[in-house]
Amino acid sequence: DTGVSQDPRHKITKRGQNVTFRCDPISEHNRLYWYRQTLGQGPEFLTYFQNEAQLEKSRLLSDRFSAERPKGSFSTLEIQRTEQGDSAMYLCASRQTSNEQFFGPGTRLTVL
Amino acid sequence: GDSVTQMEGPVTLSEEAFLTINCTYTATGYPSLFWYVQYPGEGLQLLLKATKADDKGSNKGFEATYRKETTSFHLEKGSVQVSDSAVYFCALSGDSSYKLIFGSGTRLLVRP
Repeated sequence: DTGVSQDPRHKITKRGQNVTFRCDPISEHNRLYWYRQTLGQGPEFLTYFQNEAQLEKSRLLSDRFSAERPKGSFSTLEIQRTEQGDSAMYLCASRQTSNEQFFGPGTRLTVL
Repeated sequence: GDSVTQMEGPVTLSEEAFLTINCTYTATGYPSLFWYVQYPGEGLQLLLKATKADDKGSNKGFEATYRKETTSFHLEKGSVQVSDSAVYFCALSGDSSYKLIFGSGTRLLVRP
């Protein structure tokens, strides 16, 4: 499968713990995006990378959130000191030159 | 800022009925417009897109026309099938980041 992959698919954690998600984009896609989707809502933009450079961060991305894309390939999204309000589906998408973003299956985070 | 508003669901139709899901947008420039679909248990998939005024996007019997004068991109299908049951998201991409701004989604349920 050459699509966007995300790991893990599900994560249950206790409040205050740190979690890290991984996204592997489609090979050679230079842009990678993170979104967050809560129940009954559309995805909301969090941040994006062009190659290894993080070019934009949403105001939704508090100081507890950090994202990296070393070497411009896979990306990680870390949430420190998780809160119940962080419970959501975290989506990753990648894009090359066409206008289409290809989405991964998402990581569902539940904070107890 | 840019935003997307789409009709609330759920929309319940009988098989072979005509479908319209309304979508309007607010944007400062000339955005590209998209419809994404999320089938049960699956990730977001691009359904169709339009990149400039009066363009018509079409795929799998679905159509939407980019109407600049009414800032709308309504989704239509002449005859829905049970397999069309899903959540449909209208989205725009309005700047050089190509990040997507989504509406809240409309759930469609088609009954046999």
